Amino acid sequence: DGGITQSPKYLFRKEGQNVTLSCEQNLNHDAMYWYRQDPGQGLRLIYYSQIVNDFQKGDIAEGYSVSREKKESFPLTVTSAQKNPTAFYLCASSMGEGGGYTFGSGTRLTVV
Amino acid sequence: GIQVEQSPPDLILQEGANSTLRCNFSDSVNNLQWFHQNPWGQLINLFYIPSGTKQNGRLSATTVATERYSLLYISSSQTTDSGVYFCAVKGGGNKLTFGTGTQLKVEL
Repeated sequence: DGGITQSPKYLFRKEGQNVTLSCEQNLNHDAMYWYRQDPGQGLRLIYYSQIVNDFQKGDIAEGYSVSREKKESFPLTVTSAQKNPTAFYLCASSMGEGGGYTFGSGTRLTVV
Repeated sequence: GIQVEQSPPDLILQEGANSTLRCNFSDSVNNLQWFHQNPWGQLINLFYIPSGTKQNGRLSATTVATERYSLLYISSSQTTDSGVYFCAVKGGGNKLTFGTGTQLKVEL
């Protein structure tokens, strides 16, 4: 079955460490996205990519970095510059301008 | 950017009841979606509905783009309908903007 796989489901890291969240899709979608969700809140866009080797900042990109070397993969690195990294991170993909989004099951990151 | 407002913020229903969730948006959109987030955090795409009406089982949605609102109808609610319902829209850019959601709890 086609879908989006995020790993790991839960992640614990010490303050000051960088951490990379994985997102892989086999839907042949061109566009991929990273969102952050805080408790009781909606989703906020961190980064998005419409094609391989290209990506744009979203609303809250500071302290995060991404790469898009393959169509299927869009990893997100949470750097030590991110002031409050503890959150639920969701990856999504879509065919492009139109069409629906498909979301992964998310990664809960806790920084201690 | 586009503002998205959802109402009500919280809703408690008895099983079997019907409900209507509303999404207002501040500008023209070319993409509007309704999502259900279950208690484990999984976001499920319910409808892609930039305009018109669609139905899927007990759920239906209507978007009146000219008046900048969308409605999600849930009929004969079940406990498995519990969770958060999000409306998300995209205007002229490439960003899908989410509302703050409606938290629904269906009780026996």
